[in-house]
This record gives sequence, C-alpha cells and structure tokens, in this order.
Amino acid sequence: SQQGEEDPQALSIQEGENATMNCSYKTSINNLQWYRQNSGRGLVHLILIRSNEREKHSGRLRVTLDTSKKSSSLLITASRAADTASYFCATRGNSGGSNYKLTFGKGTLLTVNP
Amino acid sequence: DTGVSQDPRHKITKRGQNVTFRCDPISEHNRLYWYRQTLGQGPEFLTYFQNEAQLEKSRLLSDRFSAERPKGSFSTLEIQRTEQGDSAMYLCASSPFFQWETQYFGPGTRLLVL
Repeated sequence: SQQGEEDPQALSIQEGENATMNCSYKTSINNLQWYRQNSGRGLVHLILIRSNEREKHSGRLRVTLDTSKKSSSLLITASRAADTASYFCATRGNSGGSNYKLTFGKGTLLTVNP
Repeated sequence: DTGVSQDPRHKITKRGQNVTFRCDPISEHNRLYWYRQTLGQGPEFLTYFQNEAQLEKSRLLSDRFSAERPKGSFSTLEIQRTEQGDSAMYLCASSPFFQWETQYFGPGTRLLVL
C-alpha cells in the first residue's frame, strides 16, 4: 500500500523558476527520502531527512520535514530542463520488521519548459 | 561502481507463461530489494534479502512469485503462470552494509503480459 501522497500530481514550470512538491504520510517514520525517476529509467536517490531533522539542503534541493503534520516538502531552486522527471517521497518505518523497506508515494510529475 | 543491473530490460509474454528476471546488485551490497511499479504509481515493496536470506515477502507476492538470491550475490524473480495484472515495471535495488538506508535502484525490467 502507498504510504505517501505527493501534491501536486503534476507541475509545469519555466526554466529558472522554483518548484515545490509536497508529501504527506500516515504512520510514524524513521526517515523520509526523495527520489527522482526519469522517463524509462530507474530511481535515483536525491536526499534523506531523518525524523529528528527539520530541514536539509543539498545543492539546489531543500527538504523540510514536519513530523507533527506528517508532511514533507521538496524545493528545487533555479530549475533546469534536465530536472524534468517524476519525484517520489519514500518513508522508512521505525517499527520492527518494516524498518528496511521503503514505502513510496504516487509521485509528482515535474515538467520544466526551456 | 557499475550500478545495479537488471536483465532483461523488456519482456513480452503470453498469459500463462513463466518468466524470470535477474538482478545484479552493486558489488558487496549485502541487501537486495525487489519492487513493482505500475503506471502512474510509486514502487511497491515485494521482497527483501540480506545476503542469501529472504527476510520478508510482501502480501503482493502471491504463491506464483518466487525470488532467490543464491550465494548472496545476484537475485532472480520468477513469475509462474503470468496474468495480465502482472504487467508492470519490476525494480531491483541494493544497499550496502553500512549506510544501508539509501537504496540504489536498477533500470528495471518492464513486463507486458498479453
């Protein structure tokens, strides 16, 4: 079953603009990760934020986590056409046997127009 | 680092046939995961290996599915008596003993059951 729900389902912006995607999840987590998937390719890990962290940066990526609201956001600044992809949030549980598998949301399809 | 490889990349089969997919993880990654992704959805966990031991199977993995990881290296996923509902992208991922929280995904095998 899907744990997370990304919002919006699709986002279209112009090159140079910022893109913000949101993710909500249902159960308590150990960490939350964001992955990118280009058309026809596998998923690429972008960034991981732990449950005791509130914000994390990596290059043009900024991730926030609000465990009280069970939500996260991914901000991509100064977007490029090459950022066009589907973006998924994935959570890792913190209870017993479920603490190694990832539970993914349905993804946000980002299109960056040149 | 050659990345996770999967073979074949595409498979078309007729309903009722058996298919087998292979995954070669990144060298020395002791953890290996299989996920299934249908169109418009995020990946869903199928099964997990630590070395050669299969430690968990999702309820999605019916008795027609079997996965193995002999000698703790490559893994195979077999689907017997395929059904049209099995059509999906089958993704393999691996992670190392240390820093195991990040999973490295292969390009996937796209299965179409006619």
